[in-house]
Amino acid sequence: EAGVTQSPTHLIKTRGQQVTLRCSPISGHTSVYWYQQALGLGLQFLLWYDEGEERNRGNFPPRFSGRQFPNYSSELNVNALELEDSALYLCASRRGLTDTQYFGPGTRLTVL
Amino acid sequence: GDSVTQMEGPVTLSEEAFLTINCTYTATGYPSLFWYVQYPGEGLQLLLKATKADDKGSNKGFEATYRKETTSFHLEKGSVQVSDSAVYFCALNYGGSQGNLIFGKGTKLSVKP
Repeated sequence: EAGVTQSPTHLIKTRGQQVTLRCSPISGHTSVYWYQQALGLGLQFLLWYDEGEERNRGNFPPRFSGRQFPNYSSELNVNALELEDSALYLCASRRGLTDTQYFGPGTRLTVL
Repeated sequence: GDSVTQMEGPVTLSEEAFLTINCTYTATGYPSLFWYVQYPGEGLQLLLKATKADDKGSNKGFEATYRKETTSFHLEKGSVQVSDSAVYFCALNYGGSQGNLIFGKGTKLSVKP
C-alpha cells in the first residue's frame, strides 16, 4: 500500500510570492491534515480537510488556505510569503474517524 | 486546553544503553497517545500508540505505557542502536471529529557507537 505522498520535495521562493504544495493521501483515507514544522517552533496544526470540506484550522492567518479534491488529494496554498514561512510542511492522512494519522515525507519551503 | 510536555533534549547515549524519554500530557478527555519518530531529513513515522489507560504500545524494541494516574506516556528502549538517532515526538489525539494531533516539542536522540 502506497503511503502519503507530497510534492514538491523542496521549494525556494522569495518574499511576497505565492506557493502551492500538494498531498496525496493513502488510498481509502478521506481526511487530510497539514502541519507546519518551523525551526524552533515544533509541529503546529494548520488545516484539516475531510470529504472535500475544511473542518478546522489552526492559529494561522488567512493567507494560508487550501482545498481537497474529490479524489481526496489536497493542496495547501500560501500567499504573500514571508521569511518566517520557511519550514517543513507535513501532510498526514487518516481513515474515517480513526485516531491514527500517517505522514508524508514533507515539502521543505525556503523563503528568501 | 490539551497539551503535551516532553523532556528537553538533546539526549546523547552510547550504543546499547537504556533509553527513557519522558512525556506527560494534560487532557480534558480520554485521548489516544502516540510516539512518532523523525529521522534526519524525513517526515514523521508512527512508532507506537496506545488508546486507553494501561495499554502498552510497542514496536521495534520501543515501549510506552499509557498511565492515566500520572498522565504519562514515557518512551523506553532497553538497548539503543546508532540507527535510533532521530527526533522523537509524543502526541495526543481524540480521533473522531476532534481531528488534529497535539505534539510535544520533540526530543533529539543521538546514539554514539
